[in-house]
Amino acid sequence: DIVMTQSPDSLAVSPGERATINCRSSQSVENTSNNKNYLAWYQAKPGQPPKLLIYWASTRESGVPDRFSGSGSGTDFTLTISSLQAEDVAIYYCHQYFITPQTFGQGTKVEIK
Amino acid sequence: EVQLLESGGGLDQPGGSRRLSCVASGFSLSNYAMTWVRQAPGKGLQWVSAISGNGDHTYYRDSVKGRFTISRDNSNNTVYLQMNSLRAEDTAVYYCAKSVVTRFHFDDWGLGTLVIVSS
Repeated sequence: DIVMTQSPDSLAVSPGERATINCRSSQSVENTSNNKNYLAWYQAKPGQPPKLLIYWASTRESGVPDRFSGSGSGTDFTLTISSLQAEDVAIYYCHQYFITPQTFGQGTKVEIK
Repeated sequence: EVQLLESGGGLDQPGGSRRLSCVASGFSLSNYAMTWVRQAPGKGLQWVSAISGNGDHTYYRDSVKGRFTISRDNSNNTVYLQMNSLRAEDTAVYYCAKSVVTRFHFDDWGLGTLVIVSS
């Protein structure tokens, strides 16, 4: 199985500051036939299902604020929240859908400082 | 509006069986692959099983192979997860999620249903 490792496990950021979450996969999740990275990011709030933020590593889902951005390729990926808002407090998960079984990172808890 | 509503959760003894259902609305179920993802208490997300839009292809994680069966009834807008020989480690909230095909991101999730396996 592909192991997805997120860092850090948690972070506290002041409102308006940048939050950066990293995700590393144990093998590449890039499909060289279409040059797509099969990597998504989700936001999970207590009592709610995960919400898709980013797919193909860097494509923002419709309706997601543009302060959320994704980058990376191959095995190393980053989710950036450019200016943290109170409503962004949540756990964030990366997800590879390239190889079955699909796997998720362990989650990164983002809090307000 | 897309909605996915899971049901069927509850308390079971080890070795028991349970069937989860996921009723879809707001989209044509047959056009989408469906996946069950679970989250054990205090833990992260774990992919469990997936089924293609027409039901021809199914996939399972190793730990549930031979015990769980995913199926779908597109005419009734429902996806199922039959869980047999339940173990304590199957305790989790089970979410159904939709994607265009099985190797794709999940663009909608249900609220989940809790399965507890305990003696």
